[in-house]
Amino acid sequence: QSVLTQPPSASGTPGQRVTISCSGSSSNIGSNVVNWFQQLPGTAPKLLIYSNNQRPSGVPDRFSGSKSGTSASLAISGLQSEDEADYYCAAWDDSLNGLYVVFGGGTKLTVL
Amino acid sequence: QVQLVQSGAEVKKPGASVKVSCKASGYTFNSYFMHWVRQAPGQGLEWMGVINPSYGGTTYAQKFQGRVTMTRDTSTSTVYMDLTSLRSEDTAVYYCARGGPQQASARFDPWGQGTLVTVSS
Repeated sequence: QSVLTQPPSASGTPGQRVTISCSGSSSNIGSNVVNWFQQLPGTAPKLLIYSNNQRPSGVPDRFSGSKSGTSASLAISGLQSEDEADYYCAAWDDSLNGLYVVFGGGTKLTVL
Repeated sequence: QVQLVQSGAEVKKPGASVKVSCKASGYTFNSYFMHWVRQAPGQGLEWMGVINPSYGGTTYAQKFQGRVTMTRDTSTSTVYMDLTSLRSEDTAVYYCARGGPQQASARFDPWGQGTLVTVSS
């Protein structure tokens, strides 16, 4: 199982607002920034949100990120059919085992 | 533009080794850490490790220590990921991804196109 916990699936209708959660612990989300990635079917992942809530250039402002304590969320407003993809959260984890990157298990978003 | 181009698909037998390359272009190669992430069929993303292209220092995920080696060739702006003692569970798409100027950045952008490694007898 993944160190970061995401719901396996989410869904919404076009135009709706959807949120995806990412739960961790004090050694990862609680002390490091969270990044989000979008993976369209059959393609490589793409950076969607970095440093908890920053959007790279080219990412629509329909996508937003937030973090509170040991949890983070990705929100997608004005849902569109092309948003149907897998979404992953990631953060550095600083534990007794060393410093390494952990991912969530991924959330498959379906646009109904 | 910043681009990462990986080597082609590989088919290997159990116990063999595989070396995947990732050629970077469009930025100063030495200035950004490079990470390797893999994805088994139908599964999520799994971080394997990171290399500092400037001096070659590496950090590997505990799961892969002893089996993975990441190296770089600054003359060609290429990083390599070598995985030994392959088993069927290593069948996956392997991605390189550019990190930040500091090691502790998971701002992976961009990603390579992926290299499918199939381990089968």
